[in-house]
Amino acid sequence: AQSVSQHNHHVILSEAASLELGCNYSYGGTVNLFWYVQYPGQHLQLLLKYFSGDPLVKGIKGFEAEFIKSKFSFNLRKPSVQWSDTAEYFCAVTKGNTPLVFGKGTRLSVIA
Amino acid sequence: ETGVTQTPRHLVMGMTNKKSLKCEQHLGHNAMYWYKQSAKKPLELMFVYNFKEQTENNSVPSRFSPECPNSSHLFLHLHTLQPEDSALYLCASSSRASGESMTDTQYFGPGTRLTVL
Repeated sequence: AQSVSQHNHHVILSEAASLELGCNYSYGGTVNLFWYVQYPGQHLQLLLKYFSGDPLVKGIKGFEAEFIKSKFSFNLRKPSVQWSDTAEYFCAVTKGNTPLVFGKGTRLSVIA
Repeated sequence: ETGVTQTPRHLVMGMTNKKSLKCEQHLGHNAMYWYKQSAKKPLELMFVYNFKEQTENNSVPSRFSPECPNSSHLFLHLHTLQPEDSALYLCASSSRASGESMTDTQYFGPGTRLTVL
């Protein structure tokens, strides 16, 4: 079965530190990639997505992600995190007409 | 506010009870989804409806019974649940049309926190 791996279960960073969350998938061929975020007590919302074109995708709140096809990866980055970035981050992948498959999520805690 | 609402937000039920979860989307979408979010497990897709027709049933036990009377409303009827069914149940919607690839963004509701005693 196709799968999405997020290797970091919980990441703790100080404010202003740089962030990189890993996401790898097992699909071959053309894929569509998403990062969703769930802030404490709030609903899941889209952070950014990649369908085609420039493999460096910019999303909301200063986040970006880079699609590296050869590595089957779509890592999420932010140069300088803030306390308000504390949340759970989910990578998701779909191919063609298949439903979204989510990773287990990475919990980010940003401390002052 | 995402345009997708879910009621109730919290539900506690016994194993012999029958209850229903409700989802409503105000975004004009035609596809709706039920997901189960359990601790330390990936978000699991349960059902997909596209133009009121069920297009995915991800091997969900029959004690979960979905209903989609129109493109704006989605229900999940629950009966004789087990304690391991306790989880956050999320509803989502998207503008996916029949036959198109799933590149469309899904918009999620806040979820119903279900506890089965």
